[in-house]
Amino acid sequence: EIVMTQSPATLSVSPGERATLSCRASQSISSRLAWYQQKPGQAPRLLIYDASTRATGIPARFSGSGSGTEFTLTIGSLQSEDFAVYYCFHYSTGPPYTFGQGTKVDIK
Amino acid sequence: EGQLVESGGGLVQRGGSLRLSCAASGFNFRNSWMTWVRQAPGKGLEWVANIKEDGSERYYADSLKGRFAISRDNAENSLGLQIHSLTDDDTAVYYCARGKGWTDYWGRGTLVTVSS
Repeated sequence: EIVMTQSPATLSVSPGERATLSCRASQSISSRLAWYQQKPGQAPRLLIYDASTRATGIPARFSGSGSGTEFTLTIGSLQSEDFAVYYCFHYSTGPPYTFGQGTKVDIK
Repeated sequence: EGQLVESGGGLVQRGGSLRLSCAASGFNFRNSWMTWVRQAPGKGLEWVANIKEDGSERYYADSLKGRFAISRDNAENSLGLQIHSLTDDDTAVYYCARGKGWTDYWGRGTLVTVSS
């Protein structure tokens, strides 16, 4: 099973600042990585798939990069609605697939 | 815009069985892979299982094989998840979602609570 490791566990950012979240796969997953955002009491929301393609309706301040084992989600200028938990998710060599443990982005 | 609505959760006894359902609308269900994901209280997301458009392929998380069974009824636009031998670790919100790998439409989830 491929293990996805996210860092940091918590990221404290001021509104308007840039946030950079990392995700590492235990083996190469090519570009078969997605990012989700989840707010309390809500279902996850797809942000990025294929490592760098924004999902429908996702603002341009969200961008994804990386391939192989190292991936990054960047939020260009944090808005109040962006404070949430973010999960990476691989869909390579399988199923089964796995999520990272999540990064919580909170207000500094 | 696609919509998914889960049902069937509730309080269940340890060791018992439960069947969850997910009603789909607003998209071509019979041409979509479907997925179940769960989330224990205060924890992260866990991929559970997925099923091919025609039901001919079904995959499960390694740790859940044998107790979980995913199914679908394309005539009814419905997805199912049968869970047997429930343990405390199965307490979670269960979400259905559209897609094989990445998933774009998600339901609001149904809460399963396992108790003695």
